Parts: sequence; structure tokens; C-alpha cells
Amino acid sequence: GNSVTQMEGPVTLSEEAFLTINCTYTATGYPSLFWYVQYPGEGLQLLLKATKADDKGSNKGFEATYRKETTSFHLEKGSVQVSDSAVYFCALVYQAGTALIFGKGTTLSVSS
Amino acid sequence: DTAVSQTPKYLVTQMGNDKSIKCEQNLGHDTMYWYKQDSKKFLKIMFSYNNKELIINETVPNRFSPKSPDKAHLNLHINSLELGDSAVYFCASSQESRNHEQYFGPGTRLTVT
Repeated sequence: GNSVTQMEGPVTLSEEAFLTINCTYTATGYPSLFWYVQYPGEGLQLLLKATKADDKGSNKGFEATYRKETTSFHLEKGSVQVSDSAVYFCALVYQAGTALIFGKGTTLSVSS
Repeated sequence: DTAVSQTPKYLVTQMGNDKSIKCEQNLGHDTMYWYKQDSKKFLKIMFSYNNKELIINETVPNRFSPKSPDKAHLNLHINSLELGDSAVYFCASSQESRNHEQYFGPGTRLTVT
């Protein structure tokens, strides 16, 4: 079946450090890929997306590239801030109107 | 303006009670969803409706019953609440023609004692 695997957390970094959160997926066909972020006590916000191979999604300094050959969609940021502390979810969906399949989430904690 | 709203935000109740969670979206989307987030933060789909028609009905106890009075609303009714129902429930919506993006509500934290 379709699934998403994320690196286990928590990830603890100092401010201005480089961030990578690994995400790989298992799917037949060509899903759309997403990163969602959940700040403490809040709902999920779409951080970025990519809908086809080699697309790069970017937002707020975060980037992720849809790599079909490695079935990966790793999230990166060059310099994290304390305000980036949150839970990050990688997800896929096959077609509009179907459910998102989420990874288990990775908790990021950034200290000053 | 709030795009996807849920009420209540917090719900504390006793085992055996019946409760409802309401969701409304003002985005004009045609599909709505309920997801459950467990204590380990894992998110899983429960139901989805498209234009008031049930599309996805995952393996959840039949004590959970979604109802969509119109395409802007999707409510979740839970009968005979159990301790294991304690979780955060998220409503979401999407438009079929728009890049598969789903917009989430703020969540309802249900605690069953």
C-alpha cells in the first residue's frame, strides 16, 4: 500500500543550524507530495508542496524537491530559528478528493 | 476570516456520553474530511465527503457517524464515548480541481474520562 516514512525525532538544533528532515514514500504512480507544519497547540498548515517529479516546493526558507528516482521529498532549511520549533509532517495524496497519507511526524526543537 | 473552523476547540466528557463536533468551511470547497490525531501525533483519515456524499469511510467504529447537511459543513457525532476516543480531531477541506491541497481546521481536543 501507499505509505510515507519520516525520520524519527525529536530533532534538536541550535538557532541558525542547517535542517534536514528525511521523507521517503512508497506508492504506485505519481502522487503529489506535501510538508505540513503543526505549531504547538495549533492545527496543520501547509508548508510547501510538489506535484510532479523534480518540482521544488519552497516557503519561508524551507525547500523540498520531489525525487522520483529515490522516492524522496526531504525537507531542508539553511538556517533555522526558534520560531521554527514545531512538528513537521510529510504527506502524499494520489488525486484530488482523496485522503492525505501522513508520515508519523518529526518534532523539531530549536534553541537560542 | 477563518477558512476552516471547528467547534468546540476542547471537549471533556465522560465515558458513555454522546457528543458532536462541528466543522464549517467558507472556502467554497466541495470535499471535506475528518482526521484523527492520536497521542503520538499520528494522523489518519476517518471520513471524507464530496458534495454531501460519503466518499471515504475508513475502518472506524460505527459509533462514529459523520453528517454533511451541505457541502460547507461536515459534523462528527460520536456515540457511547470510550477512553480510547481521546484524541485531536481535525476537519479539512479541499477543492478537486486545485492541486490536491487540503486546508485544516484548528482541531478539537477530545478528552474522555
